[in-house]
Amino acid sequence: DAMVIQNPRYQVTQFGKPVTLSCSQTLNHNVMYWYQQKSSQAPKLLFHYYDKDFNNEADTPDNFQSRRPNTSFCFLDIRSPGLGDAAMYLCATSRGRGDLSNEQFFGPGTRLTVL
Amino acid sequence: AQSVTQLDSHVSVSEGTPVLLRCNYSSSYSPSLFWYVQHPNKGLQLLLKYTSAATLVKGINGFEAEFKKSETSFHLTKPSAHMSDAAEYFCVVISSGGYQKVTFGTGTKLQVIP
Repeated sequence: DAMVIQNPRYQVTQFGKPVTLSCSQTLNHNVMYWYQQKSSQAPKLLFHYYDKDFNNEADTPDNFQSRRPNTSFCFLDIRSPGLGDAAMYLCATSRGRGDLSNEQFFGPGTRLTVL
Repeated sequence: AQSVTQLDSHVSVSEGTPVLLRCNYSSSYSPSLFWYVQHPNKGLQLLLKYTSAATLVKGINGFEAEFKKSETSFHLTKPSAHMSDAAEYFCVVISSGGYQKVTFGTGTKLQVIP
């Protein structure tokens, strides 16, 4: 089945230690998104890639970076995690073109704990 | 400017009774509207979507929503609640066009009482 996969599902890191979260998709979608979701809050969009074009939300901290080496994979790098970065991180994709171009398909999320 | 307002942060219903989760939006462009459901520690699952076709949209698990442009609303309903419907529900607006601005509502937590 075509899907959005996130690895790992649970990640524990130490304060200040860089961490990378991974997302892959078999949908061949053009757009990939990263969201941060804290407890009992709505997902907050951090950035998205439209093909290779990177689009950063204005209020996304510099501590968060992303890479998209090919259509299938997208990574979220947190350079120096703080306690406030503990959250669920959701990856999503959308077709980006044509009918139903903006319907988003979500992965199961990675829950990040910062010690 | 684009915004989404989910009028109730918590809704509690008895099993077998109707569900109504309210969503109002504003958008400068012709938006697409979505309802997603999130069970604890899970990702978001699409319930239904409106993309300028029929205004009454049917989704999965017996949910439906009606797009009312005059009221700028997209309320989610279900005739009879099931215990498995207990979850968080998000109304999402995505503007059409070259840059797709995504706006989430703050969510409504649905509790179903046996």
